[in-house]
Amino acid sequence: GNSVTQMEGPVTLSEEAFLTINCTYTATGYPSLFWYVQYPGEGLQLLLKATKADDKGSNKGFEATYRKETTSFHLEKGSVQVSDSAVYFCALSANDMRFGAGTRLTVKP
Amino acid sequence: NAGVTQTPKFQVLKTGQSMTLQCAQDMNHNSMYWYRQDPGMGLRLIYYSASEGTTDKGEVPNGYNVSRLNKREFSLRLESAAPSQTSVYFCASSLASYNEQFFGPGTRLTVL
Repeated sequence: GNSVTQMEGPVTLSEEAFLTINCTYTATGYPSLFWYVQYPGEGLQLLLKATKADDKGSNKGFEATYRKETTSFHLEKGSVQVSDSAVYFCALSANDMRFGAGTRLTVKP
Repeated sequence: NAGVTQTPKFQVLKTGQSMTLQCAQDMNHNSMYWYRQDPGMGLRLIYYSASEGTTDKGEVPNGYNVSRLNKREFSLRLESAAPSQTSVYFCASSLASYNEQFFGPGTRLTVL
């Protein structure tokens, strides 16, 4: 069946550091891929998405590229801020929706 | 637009009690979903409704029932709560099945 595996956390970085959160997937067909973010006490919000191979999703300085050859959709940001502290979920949509376990990011000033 | 709303925000039940979690969306979406979120397990789909009048089981449906009351509302019922159902429950909606989903703020349920 479909599944998503993402980097275990927690991840702690200093402000302005480079961020990578790894995500790989297993799916039949051609899934759409998403990154969602969850701030404390809130529901998930869509951060970015990509619907086909080689697409790059981007939003708020975050980027992820749909790599079919490596079945990956890694999240990156060049310079994190304290306000980026949250839990990040990788997800795929094919004939169902699957989420990764989430990666908690803490950014220290 | 309120987006997706859920009630209540918090609830404490005793084992064996029943309750209904309410969800409503005002985005004219066709599809709605119920998830539970447990530490280290991400979100797991309980039930979903692809369109008004249809419901289907997700990954973890046991112990739950749902009703798609109309296009806007999708409720989740626990008939006899168990401690294993202690979790945070999220409702979500999307324009079509498994498109980009919009989430409510969640209901934190504790079963003693």
